[in-house]
Amino acid sequence: KAGVTQTPRYLIKTRGQQVTLSCSPISGHRSVSWYQQTPGQGLQFLFEYFSETQRNKGNFPGRFSGRQFSNSRSEMNVSTLELGDSALYLCASSLVYLGQGGEQYFGPGTRLTVT
Amino acid sequence: TQLLEQSPQFLSIQEGENLTVYCNSLSVFSSLQWYRQEPGEGPVLLVTVVTGGEVKKLKRLTFQFGDARKDSSLHITAAQPGDTGLYLCAAIKNDYKLSFGAGTTVTVRA
Repeated sequence: KAGVTQTPRYLIKTRGQQVTLSCSPISGHRSVSWYQQTPGQGLQFLFEYFSETQRNKGNFPGRFSGRQFSNSRSEMNVSTLELGDSALYLCASSLVYLGQGGEQYFGPGTRLTVT
Repeated sequence: TQLLEQSPQFLSIQEGENLTVYCNSLSVFSSLQWYRQEPGEGPVLLVTVVTGGEVKKLKRLTFQFGDARKDSSLHITAAQPGDTGLYLCAAIKNDYKLSFGAGTTVTVRA
């Protein structure tokens, strides 16, 4: 069974621009979570979507948003990019949502560099 | 302050040696997960521990969940270069958000 895929793998953007990242979960998985990983802060939870609804949100500004489609694919959008948004963005999918103890399977991530 | 404190932050050992990584918290968790992440890849789930005092083995890796379900350890016996990576512990908090420790970078030299 195919794993979690993320596109693009690498992205370079300029400060002030916006960016959209895509995540395709494992077939049959309905939960998709997004994380930001940086050397200074480690892995931090952004948000979780389940059946097209945002179930939970981490402590990030409103510039970070997401959505999930009926086929469970998810997109994450960051508007008005800042230098500090440079990070590895990971998505993870699971059969059930986090609150039910769903085990997550991560994609390879999208490396975003903001210049 | 990290909800989950991992130690040590870095560990460099020779092939064949043993190592232990610790994950501690002041909070009680219903379950705790361990992941390994290699450069350029996402974390891969190694194990989930649920019961206090539980011990799980995965080949040369032994995972233990503390009796009070506040801490966990990962022990690798006879480490190999393929064990090199970032080891992360994670737990779901009461607000249903998955929280990760800062990670332990393990380097096994051939």
